[in-house]
Amino acid sequence: EVQLLESGGGLVQPGGSLRLSCAASGFILRSYGMSWVRQAPGKGLEWVSAISGSGGITYYADSVKGRFTVSRDNSKNTVYLQMNSLRAEDTAVYYCAKCGSYYFSDYWGQGTLVTVSS
Amino acid sequence: EIVVTQSPGTLSVAPGERATLSCRASQSVSSNLAWYQQKPGQAPRLLIYGASTRATGIPARFSGRGSGTEFTLTISSLQSEDFAIYYCQQYNNWPPGGFTFGPGTKVDIK
Repeated sequence: EVQLLESGGGLVQPGGSLRLSCAASGFILRSYGMSWVRQAPGKGLEWVSAISGSGGITYYADSVKGRFTVSRDNSKNTVYLQMNSLRAEDTAVYYCAKCGSYYFSDYWGQGTLVTVSS
Repeated sequence: EIVVTQSPGTLSVAPGERATLSCRASQSVSSNLAWYQQKPGQAPRLLIYGASTRATGIPARFSGRGSGTEFTLTISSLQSEDFAIYYCQQYNNWPPGGFTFGPGTKVDIK
């Protein structure tokens, strides 16, 4: 059974940093791309970032490019999202998702809440 | 960046009726389009990928069609558990700009 467990969310001040982790189990992590998707309170889904199975290719939404970095450690079955220079508009539930045969998301975690506020 | 739009914003449907949701991309995404269902307080669930392929465990009453820039999701006979928000996502990645979601269509009870 595929399981994705996000952690690392919390309250952070504007300009601060946070690192999210996504622990994966039930599949061979290195064989699949992974994505991060966020959802601001009461709003729709926003794709944030994706990373290839090997970690050699990364993708970012324009809204986070230069501030967020996605990475993975396949030996630890974990994907990360390093978030720097956080802004109030980054406040959202952040979902980790396993990609299917391409960069759509076939399995999702339950999400971790990030709140950026002073 | 490819912009994805969905219509209508809200669709009111009676149980047992048919629902048709639309998704449009600002440029061709070939068949690289997925549909998701999200219920309150839950993570999204993949319904359709490749514009028309049902994901594992998805009932046959859900069907997708389209290619290029115009796509539809049809729910043939709405069940009580189908009232939710539906999002489409393009994952074509050309031109580069990411894998954008549409704003969603809320399907509620008429």
